[in-house]
Amino acid sequence: DQQVKQNSPSLSVQEGRISILNCDYTNSMFDYFLWYKKYPAEGPTFLISISSIKDKNEDGRFTVFLNKSAKHLSLHIVPSQPGDSAVYFCAAANFGNEKLTFGTGTRLTIIP
Amino acid sequence: DTGVSQDPRHKITKRGQNVTFRCDPISEHNRLYWYRQTLGQGPEFLTYFQNEAQLEKSRLLSDRFSAERPKGSFSTLEIQRTEQGDSAMYLCASSSPTWGQGDEKLFFGSGTQLSVL
Repeated sequence: DQQVKQNSPSLSVQEGRISILNCDYTNSMFDYFLWYKKYPAEGPTFLISISSIKDKNEDGRFTVFLNKSAKHLSLHIVPSQPGDSAVYFCAAANFGNEKLTFGTGTRLTIIP
Repeated sequence: DTGVSQDPRHKITKRGQNVTFRCDPISEHNRLYWYRQTLGQGPEFLTYFQNEAQLEKSRLLSDRFSAERPKGSFSTLEIQRTEQGDSAMYLCASSSPTWGQGDEKLFFGSGTQLSVL
């Protein structure tokens, strides 16, 4: 039962353009969502998060949007840079249980 | 803040052998987690400690797996009688005691890549 889904295994974007990574979830009990970035042979690194009481959170080039009615969130990166090439994981949790449930990841490639 | 440290980074073992991994969390973090990641998948939760107490174990954690955090600081994950299906990256993470107060994130180590031959 995949409660967090990332349906695009890969995405290629030109440098300087916007990258949009998508994530869907099925568990309505989730109330906190996070995005992690992972380089090969390294652990995931936290990027940005959003609480279910918000619909948008920004941090520099990264913006996360949450649509609770659609159980969908997205990560926007603008402008995209070559160093953004990595695997991006969406994760979800609820405040009563700090265990994160991860999606399967999207490999983002930024084309110079 | 020296980050979450895991040792070893790589481990190659023969099927049937026992292996042990170590994780040192960020010093002020009281919560420690073990995850496993296989190729093409996201990290999957294995188990979780608050201080020295093991609070939750996934059904992925068979009887051959045991985790400890004896003094509420570092943790070990042991796999007995390893099988080829145990080959994966084993990730440790820790989180701040202020989870639920606007600081909800896990900090991950670099992982231990296990290969069972």
